[in-house]
Amino acid sequence: NAGVTQTPKFQVLKTGQSMTLQCAQDMNHEYMSWYRQDPGMGLRLIHYSVGAGITDQGEVPNGYNVSRSTTEDFPLRLLSAAPSQTSVYFCASRRQETQYFGPGTRLLVL
Amino acid sequence: AQSVTQLGSHVSVSEGALVLLRCNYSSSVPPYLFWYVQYPNQGLQLLLKYTTGATLVKGINGFEAEFKKSETSFHLTKPSAHMSDAAEYFCAVSSNSGYSTLTFGKGTMLLVSP
Repeated sequence: NAGVTQTPKFQVLKTGQSMTLQCAQDMNHEYMSWYRQDPGMGLRLIHYSVGAGITDQGEVPNGYNVSRSTTEDFPLRLLSAAPSQTSVYFCASRRQETQYFGPGTRLLVL
Repeated sequence: AQSVTQLGSHVSVSEGALVLLRCNYSSSVPPYLFWYVQYPNQGLQLLLKYTTGATLVKGINGFEAEFKKSETSFHLTKPSAHMSDAAEYFCAVSSNSGYSTLTFGKGTMLLVSP
């Protein structure tokens, strides 16, 4: 079991560029989510999905899109990156009440 | 609605001293409570959780936490700190209502000095 995997580990973007952060899990979990972590802010929920084809917004969804075409994958898209999106992004999948986190993607937007 | 307050963004202890990290929560339904630990440049690892049953829960690395409904608290303790405990600790709350989302506190950085 690889658990939750995220790619890339680190990315630098210029303002206005687009990119997709990849997240995959091999535990057959229905529930997956994306968080961003900023200093002094804890983790804040961006989007989540309760199963293939079903997504919903979290606390800070603006500027991000998601889709869930398979149980395994839950990519996060930035359509037009802004410096305010500089952050560390964590993907998680959930079994029952417990969430399991990936190693994170560090994103720097210049 | 649910929320978490962690008292103290930084806590400093000496090696061998008691560790106490404070967490208070707000939830309109019976909560599920969690403590996660994050070591530098790593993801989050579950330390322990409370769902139902015994209010004193034990986790990994000698940590434990007690759910106190009357005080809406879930403080994390360890009798004797070790240098390897230096990390950031996050308290989080969800509920048993369907696919309840997980809400995190802002985190407490634990510093351990020799």
